[in-house]
Amino acid sequence: ETGVTQTPRHLVMGMTNKKSLKCEQHLGHNAMYWYKQSAKKPLELMFVYSLEERVENNSVPSRFSPECPNSSHLFLHLHTLQPEDSALYLCASSQVGTGVNEQFFGPGTRLTVL
Amino acid sequence: QKEVEQNSGPLSVPEGAIASLNCTYSDRGSQSFFWYRQYSGKSPELIMSIYSNGDKEDGRFTAQLNKASQYVSLLIRDSQPSDSATYLCAVDLKTSYDKVIFGPGTSLSVIP
Repeated sequence: ETGVTQTPRHLVMGMTNKKSLKCEQHLGHNAMYWYKQSAKKPLELMFVYSLEERVENNSVPSRFSPECPNSSHLFLHLHTLQPEDSALYLCASSQVGTGVNEQFFGPGTRLTVL
Repeated sequence: QKEVEQNSGPLSVPEGAIASLNCTYSDRGSQSFFWYRQYSGKSPELIMSIYSNGDKEDGRFTAQLNKASQYVSLLIRDSQPSDSATYLCAVDLKTSYDKVIFGPGTSLSVIP
């Protein structure tokens, strides 16, 4: 595997379900990000982990819960979601602290909440 | 004032023409600037990074930066239909963890 991978690529869930999104980066980076992209809307930063510590929680509802067990893996745990949470969820990684914060994105998980 | 602004478009150019995409940002302390290309239904792909005033060329792409005017642009020469996508401008705010803010994107359509 190379770059940033995300699973699953597509997810359909009911409002009472619990599911998790997984992201793995193979770039040796020290920061990972979750973004939400709704139709016709800009990228919304949700969470940032730098050196495995959460450094940003951008007013995200508690029904979204991130987890970063190490610098290569990032999870987004989902529970009791709403239909308006349907979107493309993107994971990214970068190397912070070098002055070159180029972020590289995974392919995304297309989430549909029924 | 929004932190990163772009014309939403759509911008339409004929095949072979030069496409010019513009971006302005509000944080004078920003030092790093990025252009991403995003095809419909796909994730953003980094195509250019620029850190110094002036021009940076990579193949058919040229990024231009003017920090005094807080302006960054992307020129695409000899535009091809495969360049049709949304182009996202991103700016590093230089917080403790180098927070990057993305603009809303400009939709480009290259007409054959």
